[in-house]
Amino acid sequence: GAVVSQHPSWVICKSGTSVKIECRSLDFQATTMFWYRQFPKQSLMLMATSNEGSKATYEQGVEKDKFLINHASLTLSTLTVTSAHPEDSSFYICSAFRVTNEKLFFGSGTQLSVL
Amino acid sequence: RKEVEQDPGPFNVPEGATVAFNCTYSNSASQSFFWYRQDCRKEPKLLMSVYSSGNEDGRFTAQLNRASQYISLLIRDSKLSDSATYLCVVAGTASKLTFGTGTRLQVTL
Repeated sequence: GAVVSQHPSWVICKSGTSVKIECRSLDFQATTMFWYRQFPKQSLMLMATSNEGSKATYEQGVEKDKFLINHASLTLSTLTVTSAHPEDSSFYICSAFRVTNEKLFFGSGTQLSVL
Repeated sequence: RKEVEQDPGPFNVPEGATVAFNCTYSNSASQSFFWYRQDCRKEPKLLMSVYSSGNEDGRFTAQLNRASQYISLLIRDSKLSDSATYLCVVAGTASKLTFGTGTRLQVTL
């Protein structure tokens, strides 16, 4: 079964609204989670590294005020796309790192469509 | 130059064929290498790790050439179910991965 749960699987929203995506590690504690974005026919691009109890680390070119990341517990990280616009439409996917066996597990992804 | 480069394909092959994918990476300090498989609008799934000595898992064989910064994946006896996008992935640490754009494989009857 899935060890990382990501919700929602898909969301359609109006331009200007905010959308929150949740990523949960189900049977392990993840001090580090990662958020990726994938546009059609492109690779997964790392957006940010989410660190439990501290600020996220954003990759170059990713606006931290637009993509708010909160990692308030060892099993939950959230990504909020604020004031979403059509160009934010993409596949967003999270991953969580399990330290005990040094494995990375992916959520099932969220398809965001902004109208 | 992209950190990880792959031929995007698509590779269209008949069932039973052998197909090879190549990948190059730019960071010589990279430590870990993987091939992932991704189906359309799904999460990537680890296919296999890649070691310098080369490694095999059933019909899949992966090779790493550190000197040339080159990784390959060979699929023998292709099945319809092998149709997917194959992602070359390079990591500086165990958790921080850099993905290639992927190579799309379509296996046909």
